[in-house]
Amino acid sequence: AQTVTQSQPEMSVQEAETVTLSCTYDTSESDYYLFWYKQPPSRQMILVIRQEAYKQQNATENRFSVNFQKAAKSFSLKISDSQLGDAAMYFCAYTRNTDKLIFGTGTRLQVFP
Amino acid sequence: KAGVTQTPRYLIKTRGQQVTLSCSPISGHRSVSWYQQTPGQGLQFLFEYFSETQRNKGNFPGRFSGRQFSNSRSEMNVSTLELGDSALYLCASSRGTRAYNEQFFGPGTRLTVL
Repeated sequence: AQTVTQSQPEMSVQEAETVTLSCTYDTSESDYYLFWYKQPPSRQMILVIRQEAYKQQNATENRFSVNFQKAAKSFSLKISDSQLGDAAMYFCAYTRNTDKLIFGTGTRLQVFP
Repeated sequence: KAGVTQTPRYLIKTRGQQVTLSCSPISGHRSVSWYQQTPGQGLQFLFEYFSETQRNKGNFPGRFSGRQFSNSRSEMNVSTLELGDSALYLCASSRGTRAYNEQFFGPGTRLTVL
């Protein structure tokens, strides 16, 4: 069975600094998708960034980028120039067929001014 | 375009009762998935409906059921509520085709079982 592990329950970063959130996963599949979702307090879960496993190039979305290491089954999220609005729970997620997401336990990110 | 809506937003029930939660997907989306979020178990997949058919199911007891209507709106039902069913229930909609489809989440229904 596929699993997703986030080993950092909490992280903190100062405004304008860079922070990296870790995620590892386990799968025997070769084609799959990986995601980082953001869930602000009492607000809706939104997609931050996605990575298709067949793509070697790491995905980037503005200040958010990933380090995808397929052989190591690692998928970390880097947030550059952190902003107060980045404070949230971040979930790493895996899917084989895009219909059923398997989530990690989440990392709570605090941003200090 | 309106986002995914869920009703009610908050619900308080007692053990043994049953509850029905509703989810209206984004217009044009035919797939609706349901997730349970608890502090202890995290986010867990309940089931997914596409064109009124259950296409995928998570590892939950039969007390949890769902359905989807012809307009793609979905309901989930939990019968004989237990204290452990207290959770945030999220639904997500997507186009549902087998190519990549982003899932869009609703705000959730927070269920408290007393």
